[in-house]
Formats: sequence, structure tokens, C-alpha cells
Amino acid sequence: AAGVIQSPRHLIKEKRETATLKCYPIPRHDTVYWYQQGPGQDPQFLISFYEKMQSDKGSIPDRFSAQQFSDYHSELNMSSLELGDSALYFCASGPRLAGGPAYNEQFFGPGTRLTVL
Amino acid sequence: SQQGEEDPQALSIQEGENATMNCSYKTSINNLQWYRQNSGRGLVHLILIRSNEREKHSGRLRVTLDTSKKSSSLLITASRAADTASYFCATTPTIEYGNKLVFGAGTILRVKS
Repeated sequence: AAGVIQSPRHLIKEKRETATLKCYPIPRHDTVYWYQQGPGQDPQFLISFYEKMQSDKGSIPDRFSAQQFSDYHSELNMSSLELGDSALYFCASGPRLAGGPAYNEQFFGPGTRLTVL
Repeated sequence: SQQGEEDPQALSIQEGENATMNCSYKTSINNLQWYRQNSGRGLVHLILIRSNEREKHSGRLRVTLDTSKKSSSLLITASRAADTASYFCATTPTIEYGNKLVFGAGTILRVKS
């Protein structure tokens, strides 16, 4: 079965550079979520999109922005990178089911490991 | 962690034994999901239990949910070395808190062969 695709899988950047992470949800999934997982920590919610509109926002720095496109893929744009941004970035997608996104499973991609030097 | 505690933080058992992990959370929820993560890799969805359900099974997995105590447990029966991983519970708080997942701190499970 198709899974969530994330690219790139690994990314190395210098401080103050920019990075763009891409996420391709499972076909027919209309909801995309972004999470950040620091070393030894649990994943922290950043932002989500439902039907191409931002649906919820978590602890996402102002230096980060994201959007969901007409084909439902999403991009997370990160600027002025800091050492503390080094983490695993996960995208998850959820299916279109009755009850809305809050009732549905979230399926995670393999993650993008970002290292900021 | 934003959500609460997972108990125990680490668990080491012999292959064939059962493993029980507990999770507590703070807010009212729509559902609770369990995930497995092998070291530094992706999160694999294991099972979802809705707030109006008390118990759910999937293969060797059994999940219980007690909304009055705001707690859940994951039981893995007849464990295998391949079950070695970190296990996270994650809740979807009720809609006023948005539709994000809020994760517990995780339990590191080691199954010795």
C-alpha cells in the first residue's frame, strides 16, 4: 500500500540558511500534519492542513511556514535556520472519513532528518 | 511531554513474555493512538481507539482506554525481538484543542532473545 512520502530524507544546512521539506500524502488523504522530533524527545505538532486550508497551528516558529497545494502535497519552509532546528521532521496524513480529521488515524512518513551546522 | 506520562520509561523483557505499557493524558479526547518507532526512524501506526471504546485488539496487541482515569494501556503478547522499539501513545484532544496529535514521552521496549 502507498505510504506518505517525504523528501529529502536527509538534509544538512548551515546556520541562517533556508530549507524546504516536502510531503506527499497517501492518495485520497486530505489532511496533512507536520511534527518535529528533537533527539530523545516525543514528536511535537507544528501545523496542519485540511482541504488545503490551515486547520491548526502548534509550536511552529515564525521563521517556518507551510502550505498545502492543490494536489494535496505540502511543503514546510524553514528560514534563518538555527542549531536548535536540528531534528527529525515528520509529515503525517489522514483519510477523508465521516466525523472529520479529529477522529481519524494519522499515518506518518519516514521523516526528514535535518542537521544544522 | 505536553500530554502526560508514559509508564514505564523503559522496559526489558525476554522473548515470549508479555509487555504492558501505560499512558496517561490530561485533556478530554476524541481518540488515542499507539505508535511504534524504531531507533531514529519513522512512526508506525499500531492501533486507534476511540473515546467511546474501552478495549481493542489487533493481532498480538491489546489496547484499553479508561476515559474516567484519562489513561490507556498497550499490551503486547508473546513478544519478539523485532518488537524492540520505542512506543508512543498520542491523543487527539477534543475539537476545541484542534486536530493535532499530542504525544506522550514514550516507553523504550527491549525484547531479549
